[in-house]
Amino acid sequence: QVQLVESGGGVVQPGRSLRLSCAASGFTFSSYGMHWVRQAPGKGLEWVAVIWNDASQKYYADSVKGRFTVTKDSSKNTLYLEMNSLRAEDTAVYYCVRWGESGVTLDHWGQGTLVTVSS
Amino acid sequence: DIVMTQTPLSSPVTLGQPASISCRSSQSLLHSDGNTYLSWFHQRPGQPPRLLIYKISNRFSGVADRFSGSGAGTDFTLKIRRVEAEDVGVYYCMQAKEFPRTFGQGTKVEIK
Repeated sequence: QVQLVESGGGVVQPGRSLRLSCAASGFTFSSYGMHWVRQAPGKGLEWVAVIWNDASQKYYADSVKGRFTVTKDSSKNTLYLEMNSLRAEDTAVYYCVRWGESGVTLDHWGQGTLVTVSS
Repeated sequence: DIVMTQTPLSSPVTLGQPASISCRSSQSLLHSDGNTYLSWFHQRPGQPPRLLIYKISNRFSGVADRFSGSGAGTDFTLKIRRVEAEDVGVYYCMQAKEFPRTFGQGTKVEIK
């Protein structure tokens, strides 16, 4: 079955960097685009970034553009989110989400990893 | 960006009774490919969201048939035929027509 396991979250000071990872299994990772979606404590869902199955295209939310970079390594079945110049407002649970086939968007979600930006 | 607006934001329901959530988009979600990319998600407390409905009315694998979606253009509805205890939580609509993807604010469903 599809499994997505995020890691790399933690407490980080404002202005510092952090890299999140998402280990994928149970499907052919190289065939699927992947998203990152975040949720601030007690708040709603915010889409962060997407990467095409072959990494040929990437899109970002305006709130993270220029600071976050999404990559995927199909040889390791792993999705990454490199986060630089972190701000307090980046504090959230970050979910790794698969882009399903045939218009079935965001079909499988990981459990999430918490990033806390605080001095 | 497409703005998604849900109503109500809170919905106390009685077990066994129906529930309905509305979602309105700031522009049509009809894509040039002929599909309308509106999805619904359910998030239980302490859990990640899970996909319920995609392309307005298609139930995702394993989703109970008491959940149904309808609508067109800019106005959409999620209906729960008879609410069960496990249906509590927050429901989100999301447009997948274009980037950035955008979500509604969420509707909290709780049992009276």
